[in-house]
Amino acid sequence: NFMLTQPHSVSESPGKTVTISCTASSGSFASNYVQWVQQRPGSAPTTVIYEDNQRPSGVPDRFSGSIDSSSNSASLTISGLKTEDGADYYCQSSDGNTWVFGGGTKLTVL
Amino acid sequence: EVQLVESGGGLVQPGGSLRLSCAASGFTLSSYWVSWVRQAPGKGLEWVANIKQDGSEIYYAGSVRGRFIISRDFAKNSVNLQMHSLRAEDTAVYYCARHLNGDVYDYVSRSYRFSTWGDYWGQGTLVTVSS
Repeated sequence: NFMLTQPHSVSESPGKTVTISCTASSGSFASNYVQWVQQRPGSAPTTVIYEDNQRPSGVPDRFSGSIDSSSNSASLTISGLKTEDGADYYCQSSDGNTWVFGGGTKLTVL
Repeated sequence: EVQLVESGGGLVQPGGSLRLSCAASGFTLSSYWVSWVRQAPGKGLEWVANIKQDGSEIYYAGSVRGRFIISRDFAKNSVNLQMHSLRAEDTAVYYCARHLNGDVYDYVSRSYRFSTWGDYWGQGTLVTVSS
């Protein structure tokens, strides 16, 4: 089993760029892709980045993802921040066929 | 339109049972893995269980293994989560999500890496375990 660690919260102003990190407790990213899941207040989760850096249809290109296998870390970057980007963001990867979530990062855009 | 709709949530006493259902429309659910993910009040997402397309592989989180049973109803295009011996800590919104599992070639690392992610999620159903 491994754990994914994220900062509890980040905040930034509209129009700026923010990066959220996710660090794995073991070298799992070498074998498993990373996803980023957005959950707006009162809403269901939705995946905004899959397979490290791919965007599902409908997700704006302001959202981008990357990984650094050497440090077992992944990042979600959101540029041109909008107030609607304020949400909880979870990194997600896998351990075999099971899912592992990070603890979530609350993004405040103000 | 692709939709996943959870149902069956409600208030149940500790030690009781409840069955959740995840019904699909707009596609054939048995073409996908299905995961249940829960979120306790004010907490983060926790993966609970999943089931393969044909039901031949099933996995559970340690926190629910032996108490929860995931299964498919092919006729109803749905997946069920039967929950027994419920505890207060099972109180949560339960979401279902469909996904595919498999190795995808990564041109950066020049190796295959495992991919599994939910492309559609339901809106969730609330389970409250309380006396």
